[in-house]
Amino acid sequence: DVVMTQTPVSLSVAIGQPASISCKSSQSLVHSDGKTYLNWLLQRPGQSPKRLIYLVSKLDSGIPDRFSGSGSETDFTLKISRVEADDLGVYYCLQGTHFPNTFGAGTKLELK
Amino acid sequence: QIQLVQSGPELKKPGESLKISCKASGYTFTDYAMQWVKQAPGKGLQYMGWINTQTGKPTYADDFKERFVFSLETSASTAYLQINNLKNEDTATYFCATGFDYWGQGVMVTVSS
Repeated sequence: DVVMTQTPVSLSVAIGQPASISCKSSQSLVHSDGKTYLNWLLQRPGQSPKRLIYLVSKLDSGIPDRFSGSGSETDFTLKISRVEADDLGVYYCLQGTHFPNTFGAGTKLELK
Repeated sequence: QIQLVQSGPELKKPGESLKISCKASGYTFTDYAMQWVKQAPGKGLQYMGWINTQTGKPTYADDFKERFVFSLETSASTAYLQINNLKNEDTATYFCATGFDYWGQGVMVTVSS
């Protein structure tokens, strides 16, 4: 299985400050169709996960452009340009290129 | 709008079986595969596998090949997860999701003697 290594495990950020989360995969996430199936999800406390970004950098509908995704092959990053209170929770990367899909272990974003 | 509504919480004893439902609305059920995800208490997300909603063919991740069964009732736009011979380690919240952009609310399953 593809191992998704997320760092940091936790992140304490003040409102208005930027945040960055890294996700590294144990093998390339470029599919044979040429696409890279790397997603970012946020699970707020007590809620279901919510997808923020798919195909590395495409924002889901309704997701503010404070969020951005980048990367290629095995190295990916989620950035929040200015953290807001609503952003707290656990962020997961998820690869869908290789079966079985695999999640990173999560990064807990707390407000400073 | 697209919604996935799952059945209610379950409390079971080891060795028993259960069947969780995931009712879809707001889209054509057979347009998207249904994924299943497990989250143990205080832990991260674990992918269980998926079911092809057009053919009914399930595909399981290795950890879920033995006692887990994905099925469909297409006429009711509903997917099911059955867990047989429940074990304590099956205690978790189970989510259904379409393409990971829409998720059910999760079903909390507790297995305890």
